Amino acid sequence: QVQLQQSGAELAKPGSSVKISCKASGYTFTSYYISWIKQTTGQGLEYIGYINTGSGGTNYNEKFKGKATLTVDKSSSTAFMQLSSLTPDDSAVYYCARGAMMVSPFAYWGQGTLVTVSS
Amino acid sequence: NIVLTQSPATLSVTPGESVSLSCRASQSISTSIHWYQQKSNESPRLLIKYASQSISGIPSRFSGSGSGTDFTLSINRVESEDFSIYYCQQSYSSLYTFGAGTKLELK
Repeated sequence: QVQLQQSGAELAKPGSSVKISCKASGYTFTSYYISWIKQTTGQGLEYIGYINTGSGGTNYNEKFKGKATLTVDKSSSTAFMQLSSLTPDDSAVYYCARGAMMVSPFAYWGQGTLVTVSS
Repeated sequence: NIVLTQSPATLSVTPGESVSLSCRASQSISTSIHWYQQKSNESPRLLIKYASQSISGIPSRFSGSGSGTDFTLSINRVESEDFSIYYCQQSYSSLYTFGAGTKLELK
């Protein structure tokens, strides 16, 4: 069955970077795009962008350009998202997700990774 | 950006009642709306795609309707496991957006 297993919670200092992972299993990794979504109590669910796991091509929400960088390692069927120049506003749960056929809707979700930015 | 407005913010019901949750788009989006359920401390789960298409494994008491700007998620005879938050999401624009959610709570 399709599974997306995300890396564990991160505690980071303002100004630093974190890189979270999303390991896929149960399907051909390069056949489906992986998207990333941010969830906070205040802003709700926000779409960050997606990566074409076959070509490495990306599409970002303008709001997250310069903040998030999406990459993949095809050899390990893992997608990554690096968040840079962290501020407290980046504190959130981040999900990776996959569509059933298209990028969206999101039929499969990772369990989420909590990122806390605090000095 | 396409803004999705969900109402009500909170809906208090007793098990066995049937309910309708609303999602209104800021512009016409055809039927490019999807509904998710999120229980506390869990990831969202896809319930309905493209306004009214059912998802394998989702109970038949969940149904969706609408097109253009007005969409509805209906739950026929709410069960105790249904108390959670429901979100709509549009894929008409490649800048996908979500509604703020409707919390379905026990009355």
